[in-house]
Amino acid sequence: DTGVSQNPRHKITKRGQNVTFRCDPISEHNRLYWYRQTLGQGPEFLTYFQNEAQLEKSRLLSDRFSAERPKGSFSTLEIQRTEQGDSAMYLCASSHAGAGETQYFGPGTRLLVL
Amino acid sequence: GESVGLHLPTLSVQEGDNSIINCAYSNSASDYFIWYKQESGKGPQFIIDIRSNMDKRQGQRVTVLLNKTVKHLSLQIAATQPGDSAVYFCAENVREYGNKLVFGAGTILRVKS
Repeated sequence: DTGVSQNPRHKITKRGQNVTFRCDPISEHNRLYWYRQTLGQGPEFLTYFQNEAQLEKSRLLSDRFSAERPKGSFSTLEIQRTEQGDSAMYLCASSHAGAGETQYFGPGTRLLVL
Repeated sequence: GESVGLHLPTLSVQEGDNSIINCAYSNSASDYFIWYKQESGKGPQFIIDIRSNMDKRQGQRVTVLLNKTVKHLSLQIAATQPGDSAVYFCAENVREYGNKLVFGAGTILRVKS
């Protein structure tokens, strides 16, 4: 499978715990995006990387959230001191700059904070 | 500001009929639009896209129409099949402002057999 992959697919945690999600983009894609989606809503942009550089962050990305893409390939999204309001689907997408810019999404990680 | 909205939250069609899903956008600077299909428990799946220098684009069984005058986007699905049942999102991008997509809330398409 050469699509975007995300792990884990599901995560249940208790309030106050830290969680980390991983995204592996399509191999030749140099741009990687994180979105958050709550039930009944469209995805909301969180942040994006071009290669290893984080170029844009949404105001939704509070200081409890941090994303990295250290080698310009896979990315991690960490949420510290989780809150119940963090419960959502976290989606990763990738695209190739200069090749249409179409963003292809992974299956998402569903987070439930108890 | 940027916003994308959908006229109809739920659309029910008979199998074999054509479906039309509508989307309104407010940012006249948007220059790229995408339609995604999302099935329950899955990530959005790319269907078709269109740039602002085009009015119409066709894919396999799908057509996207863009009316920049009234800032309206539509997705037409021909001969709708049960497998088309999903939530459909339109998304817009203003490339001058970066690469983020702005999504609408979605339309549920139900196909009756």
